[in-house]
Amino acid sequence: EPEVTQTPSHQVTQMGQEVILRCVPISNHLYFYWYRQILGQKVEFLVSFYNNEISEKSEIFDDQFSVERPDGSNFTLKIRSTKLEDSAMYFCASSVTSSGANVLTFGAGSRLTVL
Amino acid sequence: AQSVTQPDIHITVSEGASLELRCNYSYGATPYLFWYVQSPGQGLQLLLKYFSGDTLVQGIKGFEAEFKRSQSSFNLRKPSVHWSDAAEYFCAVGEYGNKLVFGAGTILRVKS
Repeated sequence: EPEVTQTPSHQVTQMGQEVILRCVPISNHLYFYWYRQILGQKVEFLVSFYNNEISEKSEIFDDQFSVERPDGSNFTLKIRSTKLEDSAMYFCASSVTSSGANVLTFGAGSRLTVL
Repeated sequence: AQSVTQPDIHITVSEGASLELRCNYSYGATPYLFWYVQSPGQGLQLLLKYFSGDTLVQGIKGFEAEFKRSQSSFNLRKPSVHWSDAAEYFCAVGEYGNKLVFGAGTILRVKS
């Protein structure tokens, strides 16, 4: 069964450092997403991406965050200068369409710890 | 604003017993509803979904859920729980553009 693959599975970084989280979505999917889950809190939507541009973003997704699809397979989330409160599990997801009735396939997550 | 409430943070059931996990949603239109499960070290796996039609939906691993519009609920059930069902379960409602709104999750513990 096709999978969404995320790397690294766990990253520890110092506050103020840049972090790039990588995702390989399912190959025939066109829509890509990042969600995050701070420990003990809900899974929250960060951003959706289609046709090489952001289609929607939440208020969490400020100027510190960026996404790109640098090649035909990878989808990355960059945090420019990490803060303690960026510590969370980050989930990548992809889908065939953007219809609310469509199904997202999630990766296993990348746990980010900011010290 | 759309929201999802899972009132039970933790639930413990005995292996072989029945299970019901509660989910209530707040959504103005006809909702798209989902249940996801997360096992340790795993991603969010879709158990089942409701888009329209029959209000009782069947999912993987023997799970089912019933959509009750009058109660704004979408409770997850399983008639006989297995030890491997121990995980965290998330209810979610889908908005246009696939921006899912998740509940806080319910951690299921299965005792033998």
